[in-house]
Amino acid sequence: DAKTTQPTSMDCAEGRAANLPCNHSTISGNEYVYWYRQIHSQGPQYIIHGLKNNETNEMASLIITEDRKSSTLILPHATLRDTAVYYCIVKEDSSASKIIFGSGTRLSIRP
Amino acid sequence: ETGVTQTPRHLVMGMTNKKSLKCEQHLGHNAMYWYKQSAKKPLELMFVYSLEERVENNSVPSRFSPECPNSSHLFLHLHTLQPEDSALYLCASSLTSGQVQYFGPGTRLTVT
Repeated sequence: DAKTTQPTSMDCAEGRAANLPCNHSTISGNEYVYWYRQIHSQGPQYIIHGLKNNETNEMASLIITEDRKSSTLILPHATLRDTAVYYCIVKEDSSASKIIFGSGTRLSIRP
Repeated sequence: ETGVTQTPRHLVMGMTNKKSLKCEQHLGHNAMYWYKQSAKKPLELMFVYSLEERVENNSVPSRFSPECPNSSHLFLHLHTLQPEDSALYLCASSLTSGQVQYFGPGTRLTVT
């Protein structure tokens, strides 16, 4: 599976949009971009995933560049409850493909 | 609430004890997973079950023994653990192997 690169930490003011970048320059054509987050001492939570089109759901938006070498997760109106470690993962959508968690980005939302 | 429950939430055990962690999913999924998360380290996949059959064992020591009696339940049997096995143990499930995973809250294990 392709590796991803994320900033170690970021912060954002409450109520503002939080934009979390991820580089995946070696992504292959059949690999999806997935985002999960882990709030302190809880299990990871699925957020969103996409292949090449931008995606939006009730939690976030995912913007994938045209060359698919990077993506941005957008939390449109960050709240204190969005403070967590955010993981960007690339994987095939097949039974043999595993989720490999890296170190993620620690996002802190300040009041 | 993700539909995946784990018990107990906290466990302290001695190195000579035998204990079991339990995971139950109420989502109708066919794949279940055990992960280990040690302090300041990424999550590590331990075992994968698909339709109650173990399909992956990531070089996990034999003192960890998984059991999947049916597609809704997953156990991790523990015996003669070491202090370095202290970690957060997470269970997850997905509709089929390789799809979006839903995680339980984890069991915080301390081995003394």
